Amino acid sequence: AQSVTQLGSHVSVSEGALVLLRCNYSSSVPPYLFWYVQYPNQGLQLLLKYTTGATLVKGINGFEAEFKKSETSFHLTKPSAHMSDAAEYFCAVSGANTGNQFYFGTGTSLTVIP
Amino acid sequence: ETGVTQTPRHLVMGMTNKKSLKCEQHLGHNAMYWYKQSAKKPLELMFVYNFKEQTENNSVPSRFSPECPNSSHLFLHLHTLQPEDSALYLCASSQERTSGNTDTQYFGPGTRLTVL
Repeated sequence: AQSVTQLGSHVSVSEGALVLLRCNYSSSVPPYLFWYVQYPNQGLQLLLKYTTGATLVKGINGFEAEFKKSETSFHLTKPSAHMSDAAEYFCAVSGANTGNQFYFGTGTSLTVIP
Repeated sequence: ETGVTQTPRHLVMGMTNKKSLKCEQHLGHNAMYWYKQSAKKPLELMFVYNFKEQTENNSVPSRFSPECPNSSHLFLHLHTLQPEDSALYLCASSQERTSGNTDTQYFGPGTRLTVL
């Protein structure tokens, strides 16, 4: 069965520090991978996605993620955290081997400390 | 109005009430989804509609009844709910439900449902 694991349900970083949110997936074939962000009282907004091609994917708001097949990972990074980055972040996987369904992780809440 | 909208944003209902959640997408998409988001749990896909036809029902109790009158509108009819059904209900849409599912899903703001 497909699964997504987000290590750390809560992450705190100082403003200006590196943001690293971890995502690992289980899949027998390369999946399609997504990161979504959810601000308070809002729906999920797509940050970036990987389907095929270049393994380093750049998204909105300065975020990027790298697909590492050997590590079955798709960690999300941002060089310098901003106060406005405080939100809940969800990793998701889909693909033909998931029955065309999206599987989401449990989310990581990011706090940015002034 | 653009994107995916949901009404109401907040709903409180008793276990014997009947209510409906509404979702509308203004993106010209052909697939629409209902998700349930509970605290500390992954998003749970409930229903999928592709070109107005229900294509997936992930073992959702019959007290939840979806309706998709056209590709732009999706409803979730609720009756005799239980307190454990309290959650954020999210609607999403995508271009269509394609093989491989690379179509990005766009989400509405959700309806915060509380069942007393």
